[in-house]
Amino acid sequence: KAGVTQTPRYLIKTRGQQVTLSCSPISGHRSVSWYQQTPGQGLQFLFEYFSETQRNKGNFPGRFSGRQFSNSRSEMNVSTLELGDSALYLCASSLSNIQYFGAGTRLSVL
Amino acid sequence: AQSVTQLGSHVSVSEGALVLLRCNYSSSVPPYLFWYVQYPNQGLQLLLKYTSAATLVKGINGFEAEFKKSETSFHLTKPSAHMSDAAEYFCAVSAVLDQGGKLIFGQGTELSVKP
Repeated sequence: KAGVTQTPRYLIKTRGQQVTLSCSPISGHRSVSWYQQTPGQGLQFLFEYFSETQRNKGNFPGRFSGRQFSNSRSEMNVSTLELGDSALYLCASSLSNIQYFGAGTRLSVL
Repeated sequence: AQSVTQLGSHVSVSEGALVLLRCNYSSSVPPYLFWYVQYPNQGLQLLLKYTSAATLVKGINGFEAEFKKSETSFHLTKPSAHMSDAAEYFCAVSAVLDQGGKLIFGQGTELSVKP
């Protein structure tokens, strides 16, 4: 069974731009969660989607948004990028309370 | 509210020595607890999980952890370290009733293994 797939693996953007990251969950998993990982703040929960509905949300500004499609694939969007948005963004899909992570998308904002 | 504290941001052991990574949690509801490992430039790999069954949990690569409710701890151990164990380790908690969608992570412990 294929694991969680995140695309792209690396992204370079400039301040003020927007970016969309993609996550394909493990087949059969209906929950997708997103996390931001930075050296200073560690791993922080962004949001979770289940059956196309946002079920949980972390403490991030409205510039961070997401959605989930009927096939459970999810996208995360960050608008008006700031330097501090540079991070590794991890997606996880879950079944029965256990989350399985993708390799992440490393976003650099210049 | 839930939180996780990992004691020691860096731990160094010699190859063949005992590995002990400490994790204490705080949770107002019954918790699920997890240990993940992260190798450079990779995502998180699940090592083991506690989901209210046996308190001593065995995971992959020879790791195990014991859930101690009275001490609110979930320390990770391995009897004999191997060079390939060098990585960053994260303890995480989620609420049983939260349907598993949100993990709260500790700050991580970087494990170094000396030859």
